[in-house]
Amino acid sequence: DADVTQTPRNRITKTGKRIMLECSQTKGHDRMYWYRQDPGLGLRLIYYSFDVKDINKGEISDGYSVSRQAQAKFSLSLESAIPNQTALYFCATSEGRTGSEQYFGPGTRLTVT
Amino acid sequence: QKEVEQDPGPLSVPEGAIVSLNCTYSNSAFQYFMWYRQYSRKGPELLMYTYSSGNKEDGRFTAQVDKSSKYISLFIRDSQPSDSATYLCAMSTLVGGFKTIFGAGTRLFVKA
Repeated sequence: DADVTQTPRNRITKTGKRIMLECSQTKGHDRMYWYRQDPGLGLRLIYYSFDVKDINKGEISDGYSVSRQAQAKFSLSLESAIPNQTALYFCATSEGRTGSEQYFGPGTRLTVT
Repeated sequence: QKEVEQDPGPLSVPEGAIVSLNCTYSNSAFQYFMWYRQYSRKGPELLMYTYSSGNKEDGRFTAQVDKSSKYISLFIRDSQPSDSATYLCAMSTLVGGFKTIFGAGTRLFVKA
């Protein structure tokens, strides 16, 4: 079984809908991250969490929210989806606080029409 | 100016060639430097990680960091078709609070 799993793997939704992307990990890491990947822009950090009680905004948090339900679970929500949130979303985990060794999930391809 | 610049390629080389991939960055606070490999429709996977300036070797892969020039490199020796992927540089720091950034990636094709 994969160490970092993401659900759903693909999702098409309409503008204005609320959507949640889920991430689970079995690596036992405290640190978890949410990124989006767009062509030509690389990975951009949306939110990160260093433990269940510590959640921080990343580079591009507007329009997104997160919930850390447990050490192993970190969810990303789009409160009211818009087309420019169409992207590939990745969850990652790391053991150390430096973020220097991150383990990524397989990604969720989200399309907002 | 972007905080990290990475040539998107594509870079096409014959099997067995030495590949050089590079990134430049602007923020001198970055302390940790990573290279990830991403196959099509997959998540990135960590290849190499170095702290501060210097070289690190792992099999056919060598990572170099020159903090004075704000320049990092990944060398692949004896490249194989299975090395065909997108390579992402990344860096992070705890100075002034946690920050991490990724390059946009270089697409590499190794021809058999």
